[in-house]
Amino acid sequence: QQQVKQSPQSLIVQKGGISIINCAYENTAFDYFPWYQQFPGKGPALLIAIRPDVSEKKEGRFTISFNKSAKQFSLHIMDSQPGDSATYFCAASKNDYKLSFGAGTTVTVRA
Amino acid sequence: DVKVTQSSRYLVKRTGEKVFLECVQDMDHENMFWYRQDPGLGLRLIYFSYDVKMKEKGDIPEGYSVSREKKERFSLILESASTNQTSMYLCASSFAPLSGGYRTDTQYFGPGTRLTVL
Repeated sequence: QQQVKQSPQSLIVQKGGISIINCAYENTAFDYFPWYQQFPGKGPALLIAIRPDVSEKKEGRFTISFNKSAKQFSLHIMDSQPGDSATYFCAASKNDYKLSFGAGTTVTVRA
Repeated sequence: DVKVTQSSRYLVKRTGEKVFLECVQDMDHENMFWYRQDPGLGLRLIYFSYDVKMKEKGDIPEGYSVSREKKERFSLILESASTNQTSMYLCASSFAPLSGGYRTDTQYFGPGTRLTVL
């Protein structure tokens, strides 16, 4: 049973558009929420991460929004580019070394 | 740059064979992890090690074992491979020492081993 539920499974966006991926969790002990980006043939790599003491974190075109009361967090990719085409995984951890990953979202950015 | 290498990119084995997947990291990281990645299921943790010779089961340890004799090397062992173990296997490492405040840190992944069991 997955502890982090991710949606949508896939999305297609036009170049310059906004991609939004959502994740939800139940375990209130989670206190670290990273997003990983994976290109074909490569292992995942950390993109951006947030801890629950803030509601939003922005790094370049990538923003995490965090809603503690709703137990939800999302990744927004602004001004999407073809080079952003990848699979994105949300994850959560309760400070025990381990990450619980969502099922992944395949993002395709059309030029 | 952190580098995590895995011994094979592709591996084909027969049912019942003993299979070894090797992983080496070059950044003196304390923690190492083995995941399997399947479409629609994301990454699922098989085993992890938070110190040399220390190991803990993850979410799906059945049918697998691990070995970590040296800090930089973490091996995943399939004692008797079965067709339902056909998957992509990913190794990762992180720093987060046992004595530190945060135990969960950035995980650095290898490129993966695509294992097919016939």
